[in-house]
Amino acid sequence: QVQLVQSGAEVKKPGASVKVSCKASGYTFTGYYMHWVRQAPGQGLEWMGWIDPNSGGTNYAQKFQGRVTMTRDTSISTAYMDLRGLRSDDTAMYYCARARTGDIFDYWGQGTLVTVSS
Amino acid sequence: DIQMTQSPSSLSASVGDRVTITCRASQGISTYLAWFQQKPGKAPKSLIYSASSLQSGVPSKFSGSGSGTDFTLTISSLQPEDFATYYCQQYNSYPLTFGGGTKVEIK
Repeated sequence: QVQLVQSGAEVKKPGASVKVSCKASGYTFTGYYMHWVRQAPGQGLEWMGWIDPNSGGTNYAQKFQGRVTMTRDTSISTAYMDLRGLRSDDTAMYYCARARTGDIFDYWGQGTLVTVSS
Repeated sequence: DIQMTQSPSSLSASVGDRVTITCRASQGISTYLAWFQQKPGKAPKSLIYSASSLQSGVPSKFSGSGSGTDFTLTISSLQPEDFATYYCQQYNSYPLTFGGGTKVEIK
């Protein structure tokens, strides 16, 4: 069965960086894009971008350009999302989500809470 | 960016009720529309894609319709496990955008 298991909660100071991982199992990792979506406390969902695990190609939302980097390690079927220059409004739950052709999300990770606080 | 507007933002309903949630796109998106269910403290769950196609394993009490700018999600007979927040999402163009959510509560 498809599973996406994310790394644990993080607490970071303003200006720091965070790297969240998403380990995939139950399917061919390189066959599906991986998207990242975040949700601030009590708020809605916000798309951040995707990575193609096969080629390493990426597409980031304009809002995060220059601050986010998405990478992958195909040897361990894991995708990563690195966010730099953290601010208090980056405090959120970060989700990875697998997408079929055409950006159709089907499976989600359990989420990683990132708290930014001095 | 395409804005997605859901209505209502919340609703109260009883077990067994038929519930309809509306999602409107700020410009035409054909049928590139998905619906998600999120329960408190949990990750979203994918319900519908291409406006009306059910994801694998999703019960047939959920249905979606619409094209262009106006879409609906219908739950035919509300059950206790359906009380949650529902989000629509367009994937017609980048950036992918979500509606603000509709919270379905118990009356």
